[in-house]
Amino acid sequence: EADIYQTPRYLVIGTGKKITLECSQTMGHDKMYWYQQDPGMELHLIHYSYGVNSTEKGDLSSESTVSRIRTEHFPLTLESARPSHTSQYLCASSGRPKGGAGGTYEQYFGPGTRLTVT
Amino acid sequence: AQSVTQLDSQVPVFEEAPVELRCNYSSSVSVYLFWYVQYPNQGLQLLLKYLSGSTLVKGINGFEAEFNKSQTSFHLRKPSVHISDTAEYFCAVLGPRGGGNKLTFGTGTQLKVEL
Repeated sequence: EADIYQTPRYLVIGTGKKITLECSQTMGHDKMYWYQQDPGMELHLIHYSYGVNSTEKGDLSSESTVSRIRTEHFPLTLESARPSHTSQYLCASSGRPKGGAGGTYEQYFGPGTRLTVT
Repeated sequence: AQSVTQLDSQVPVFEEAPVELRCNYSSSVSVYLFWYVQYPNQGLQLLLKYLSGSTLVKGINGFEAEFNKSQTSFHLRKPSVHISDTAEYFCAVLGPRGGGNKLTFGTGTQLKVEL
């Protein structure tokens, strides 16, 4: 059973506010990802990390930023939220578990954060 | 670069009928293939994966998929669907051979099971 958590699950916030979406995983995976998904649409990769202090931008340009100070934690921040940021944000992890051999290619997903900016 | 095409955006089917959700991918190198399911207001759950070996892959909830290299397809099938199978299904490719660990998703197929 994969253990990856996202908070909050739902967030309604006004334009211009700073927000941080939290993502944590207890599997010790080295790789983590953030996807953006609009209703009824495909997932687009916006950020990924291959390990602590490693972050890269994904295929879809995003005004958000991420950090990876600890293996298990991969928060996403929007400095000034806008209505165009309204979407669902999904976090995922994969790869070599901490202290283990081999690895998994499949990504395990959190439940998502549905963000609405008014 | 990889791409994934899910030919059907919606598939309505009656309960206990068989279903096939189609997925085609394009890649010049060998890839890994996945099917995920997403229930309303939830994240994605892995249904099954193809990494190597047998081209017929069995997953959870009675689903299976067949990897066809010559047709670059990875169609998902279930012989008898249940109401609880109503969800969005995403095909995804990871490649080449896991390099970069970045998934490319299709646009999804909404499976609606009716009584």
